[in-house]
Amino acid sequence: LAKTTQPISMDSYEGQEVNITCSHNNIATNDYITWYQQFPSQGPRFIIQGYKTKVTNEVASLFIPADRKSSTLSLPRVSLSDTAVYYCLVGDAFSSGSARQLTFGSGTQLTVLP
Amino acid sequence: NAGVMQNPRHLVRRRGQEARLRCSPMKGHSHVYWYRQLPEEGLKFMVYLQKENIIDESGMPKERFSAEFPKEGPSILRIQQVVRGDSAAYFCASSPPMASGREADTQYFGPGTRLTVL
Repeated sequence: LAKTTQPISMDSYEGQEVNITCSHNNIATNDYITWYQQFPSQGPRFIIQGYKTKVTNEVASLFIPADRKSSTLSLPRVSLSDTAVYYCLVGDAFSSGSARQLTFGSGTQLTVLP
Repeated sequence: NAGVMQNPRHLVRRRGQEARLRCSPMKGHSHVYWYRQLPEEGLKFMVYLQKENIIDESGMPKERFSAEFPKEGPSILRIQQVVRGDSAAYFCASSPPMASGREADTQYFGPGTRLTVL
């Protein structure tokens, strides 16, 4: 399982764009990159997933360079309710019989200030 | 479509008692995962199950912990003779049956059960 490194914490202000970068130098060919968000006392919530280049959904964008050794989660115009811990995970694409555990690091505590 | 359900949300046990945590996966999902989260830490994988089968229990403590996902009913994580160090949030996640091609399945998490051992 590829190890991920991301900043421990980040502060931002309401209305700003926030970019959280995750390093995963040992990512394997079959690995996908997934980001989860977790509020206190709640389970992690899936945000976005990608394999290469750029992925966008209604919540965020995910930028993955060609070498795939890092990825950046971009949250447009954050609000106070985006204050949470954000986890970057790297794991194998699904294949029959393989272990599919997710490996969570410490995550990035994003604090959005008024 | 209801999400992953876990109950109870909070569970208090005295040392030496048994704790039973239940997880009902999302409709149509046949894979269940259990994770444990200590305060200020990320989630740690415990076990991965499909209906009536344990696929990967590499994260489960060798003693006192067991998990099942019967043909009918919820998945159960059982902790026997609990100790104070078992106090944590236990999260269950589920994912749909195997997809074809290179899709990576997403795991959807429940709200967790917070176990406190007195």
